[in-house]
Formats: sequence, C-alpha cells, structure tokens
Amino acid sequence: DGGITQSPKYLFRKEGQNVTLSCEQNLNHDAMYWYRQDPGQGLRLIYYSQIVNDFQKGDIAEGYSVSREKKESFPLTVTSAQKNPTAFYLCASRPGQRGKQYFGPGTRLTVT
Amino acid sequence: EDKVVQSPLSLVVHEGDTVTLNCSYEVTNFRSLLWYKQEKKAPTFLFMLTSSGIEKKSGRLSSILDKKELFSILNITATQTGDSAVYLCAVEMEYGNKLVFGAGTILRVKS
Repeated sequence: DGGITQSPKYLFRKEGQNVTLSCEQNLNHDAMYWYRQDPGQGLRLIYYSQIVNDFQKGDIAEGYSVSREKKESFPLTVTSAQKNPTAFYLCASRPGQRGKQYFGPGTRLTVT
Repeated sequence: EDKVVQSPLSLVVHEGDTVTLNCSYEVTNFRSLLWYKQEKKAPTFLFMLTSSGIEKKSGRLSSILDKKELFSILNITATQTGDSAVYLCAVEMEYGNKLVFGAGTILRVKS
C-alpha cells in the first residue's frame, strides 16, 4: 500500500555522532520535506526538495544535511554541529508545488 | 516575518461539548490555510481553505477562513474522546513552496 515510511521509529545516539534518518515514499510525489517538532513550537522546516538532485534550506537548516538522489528517498543527516538535536522529526511529501502535504509517522531522536 | 498563531494552546472539554479552535496569521503572499490533526505520529489532513466565507465541513468538523481579518476557526461539535489530539494550522504562501505552522492546540476530550 502507498505512503511515506520513516525509519527507525526511535533512535538513540551519543552526543558527537552523526545520525541519518530515513524517509521513503511510493506516492510518486515530486516534493519532499523535513520538519522538526518540539513541544510547544509546532513544526519547523529543515530542508525541502522539489525535484531529484535539488534541495533548499528551510528555516532551521544549520547542523543538518540532506540528499535527493532518487525521487522516492530523502534522507536527513543530523550532524554533530546541531546543538540541540533531540526532537521528533517528520518527513512529508506532496505531488507538486501546491496543496496539502502528506506526512510520515515520524522518528523520535534522543541524543545524550 | 511570517507568523501563524493558534489559540488556545490547550483545552480540556467533556464529551458532547462543542469546541472552537482559532488560527490567526500574518504572512506575505497568502495562498491557502490548512488544518491537520495529529494523534501521536503523522499529522493527518483535515481541510484546505483558500476563499473567505466558504465553510468546509466533514462530519462533526467544520472550518472557515476570513482573509480580511486573517484568521480561521475549526469547529468540532458533539466531541468524542477520539477527537483528543493536537490540531495544527498551517499557511501556504504563494511563493516558496513551503508551509508555516502554528504551535498547535492540544485538545483533550474527557469521557
């Protein structure tokens, strides 16, 4: 069945380590997004990609990196430069440049 | 700076009550306003509003947009415990291909 998958559901890392969060979609959507959600702050955009091999910084890109080598996949790397990486990370996609976004189930990252 | 503000931040009601959630915005080049429900994981889409004064309805939920006063409301009638969730409001701009989200309203419906 179609949708967006994110893995893993929970991730624990030590401070100073890079970690990569997976996001895959089989909806044939062109655009993909990464958001971070913290309590009381709603969703904040990290990076987005409108087409393969192209991506743009969002509002809080510092300490993160992405790639878009395939239409279906948009992995997010949380680097050691991200000062406060513990959060809930949501991936989303949408067919074109307008309208609603479809969200994956999220990955909860805890860094200690 | 583009801004979306939701109120109240949290709300506790009893089953059967009617609730109204608010979303106000200050953005450049408004295109649409979207409401999502988040029950622990993925936000699920409720409504997209582009025109003022036209109510969108789905069962016990309804929403309306006022582009002159820059706000939207989400109404839930005859609330049920299954309505307990975080309700997110987001605004899409004409340019930039992104959504700006409010902080959300946490709704808890007690039986």
